[in-house]
Amino acid sequence: NAGVTQTPKFRVLKTGQSMTLLCAQDMNHEYMYWYRQDPGMGLRLIHYSVGEGTTAKGEVPDGYNVSRLKKQNFLLGLESAAPSQTSVYFCASSEGGLNSPLHFGNGTRLTVT
Amino acid sequence: AQSVTQPDIHITVSEGASLELRCNYSYGATPYLFWYVQSPGQGLQLLLKYFSGDTLVQGIKGFEAEFKRSQSSFNLRKPSVHWSDAAEYFCAVGVSGNTPLVFGKGTRLSVIA
Repeated sequence: NAGVTQTPKFRVLKTGQSMTLLCAQDMNHEYMYWYRQDPGMGLRLIHYSVGEGTTAKGEVPDGYNVSRLKKQNFLLGLESAAPSQTSVYFCASSEGGLNSPLHFGNGTRLTVT
Repeated sequence: AQSVTQPDIHITVSEGASLELRCNYSYGATPYLFWYVQSPGQGLQLLLKYFSGDTLVQGIKGFEAEFKRSQSSFNLRKPSVHWSDAAEYFCAVGVSGNTPLVFGKGTRLSVIA
């Protein structure tokens, strides 16, 4: 039982490049989330999904897009990376609703130069 | 909108000493309350949660937290800290089924011999 798996673990991008972060969960959870973590800022919600085919904006959605084509996967895309998007990105999932306990992946450290 | 405050950015305690990490929230009704722990290089792990009922809740790793409605607080405690407890701790609050959890900015715990 892997839980929540994030791919890749590390990535370096140049400004303007694009990339997709993949999150996969094997717990059959309906709800999935993407957060970014920056020093002194805690976790800030980027986008979330309440089920397959749905997405919604969180606190800091600008510059990111997401897709939930399959229930087990939640993709986070950066179309044109900027240095301000240098961060650690965490995916999470939950079973029973938006206020249910979250299960987190181990994060992706992204550096944009 | 609800907010979560963790007043202490960094706390240092001696091994074997007691610990209390503070969390305050702003919301009129009784929220859903959580504490998560993040070890270096890892994702967040749920320590404990409060939904209703007994205001003193027990969690994993010997932690407990007490919900005090009058103070809008949900402080985390441990009677005797171990070196392995050094980590970052996040309080999170959920207030309705329609919005995701809101996280505090975290408290970093250092443990000294």
